[in-house]
Order: sequence, then structure tokens, then C-alpha cells
Amino acid sequence: EVQLVESGGGLVQPGGSLRLSCAASGFTFRSYAMNWVRQAPGKGLQWVSAISVSGGNTYYADSVKGRFTISRDDSKNILYLQMNSLRAEDWAVYYCAKEGIIVGRDAFDIWGQGTMVTVSS
Amino acid sequence: QPVLTQPPSASASLGASVTLTCTLSSGYSNYKVDWYQQRPGKGPRFVMRVGTGGIVGSKGDGIPDRFSVLGSGLNRYLTIENVQEEDESDYHCGADHGSGSNFVYVFGTGTKVTVL
Repeated sequence: EVQLVESGGGLVQPGGSLRLSCAASGFTFRSYAMNWVRQAPGKGLQWVSAISVSGGNTYYADSVKGRFTISRDDSKNILYLQMNSLRAEDWAVYYCAKEGIIVGRDAFDIWGQGTMVTVSS
Repeated sequence: QPVLTQPPSASASLGASVTLTCTLSSGYSNYKVDWYQQRPGKGPRFVMRVGTGGIVGSKGDGIPDRFSVLGSGLNRYLTIENVQEEDESDYHCGADHGSGSNFVYVFGTGTKVTVL
């Protein structure tokens, strides 16, 4: 079964850091681009970041550029999102999503169930 | 980058049809749009991609034949025929824009579908 399972969410104070993980199974993880998408409570979806096959290229939304870092460990089939200098507006459910072979060419065809990040003092 | 506009809500009686609209901002009439279904409390699920010529590629896994798409001008439509209770969901449209370091993916605000 093709599956993405996020973890690492939790409560963090403004200015703090958190690292999210996304464990992939059921497909050849190293062959696909991957993304992070978030959803604030009661709001729509917002694309956060993407990483190419092999991790050579990374892309970020302006709202997180310089604060978040996407990475991948193809030996462990895990996608990461390191989040630093967290703000109240980063409070959201974070989803990882599988794309096609090339970033920006295909839809996000597999999604995880999400992990909640709460930023509050 | 494009702005995708969706009405906040739509409704349909059980067994009827409903058409959802995603409107691209001016100048982006050649863009393809992706439709996603999100049931309450769940992660999104890919439905299908649509361009001006209709569906692009294949439907997402397990998407019934009752779901279809059309594209015209700046509008991208998702139609659900014979609406069922399990279709009650939020439906999001999205599109990729740019290339290289300028790549972004944008979403509409979503349409909540209620089954009456």
C-alpha cells in the first residue's frame, strides 16, 4: 500500500523550532519529487516547499523562505521539514505530498494524514 | 502568479449533480488545474487534472466515474453526478506556476460541498 505518514508536530513557542518527518512506503521514494503543504485551522491549503529527486533542488513559499528547510533521506525513505523561527501564522496541519518525477510537472497524487503544529506561548 | 478563485460553498441533493468552478486569474487561460477532495478530518486526495481540453492524465486512485472535468477559458470545472453522501467534502483546486527557482504551487480557497 502506498502510504505517507507524517510525525513530529506539537506545541512550540513563537521563535522556536520543530522538525517534521514524513515516512514513505509502497513506492520507490527516491524516484519522486516531494512537497509539504499546510492548512491553518478552518482555512484552505497552502503550498510550503518542494524538493526534487535526489534533493538537488529545493523550493519554498515566500512566507517560509529563510526559516524552513526541506530535505530527504532516500536511504530511509523519509522527507523532512526543519522549521525555525516559528510564528503564530505557521500554526497549521502540515501534510507531505508525493509528486511526479519532476517538481512542477505533476499533481500531488498521494498525501499523508497530516501532523499538527501549534505555535503559541 | 495565478490566483485561483472558488466559491465557498455548494450543495446538491442526494442523487443530483453539482458542478464546482475554479477560475484562473486573467492571463492564465492555458494553465492546467488539479482538483483535490478533502473529507472532514482527513488529508486531501487527488481527483484529477484538467486543462482546456478536459482531463489531463488519469484520475486519482479510487475516484468514481461520477466525477468528471471540463475546461473553458479561465474556468476549470469539476462535476459530480449522482451525488452520494461520501462526496460531502471540501474541494480544492491548485496549479503549478513558474520553473526553476521561481516555482510555486497555488491553491484556491476551497469549496465546501454539502449533500442535502
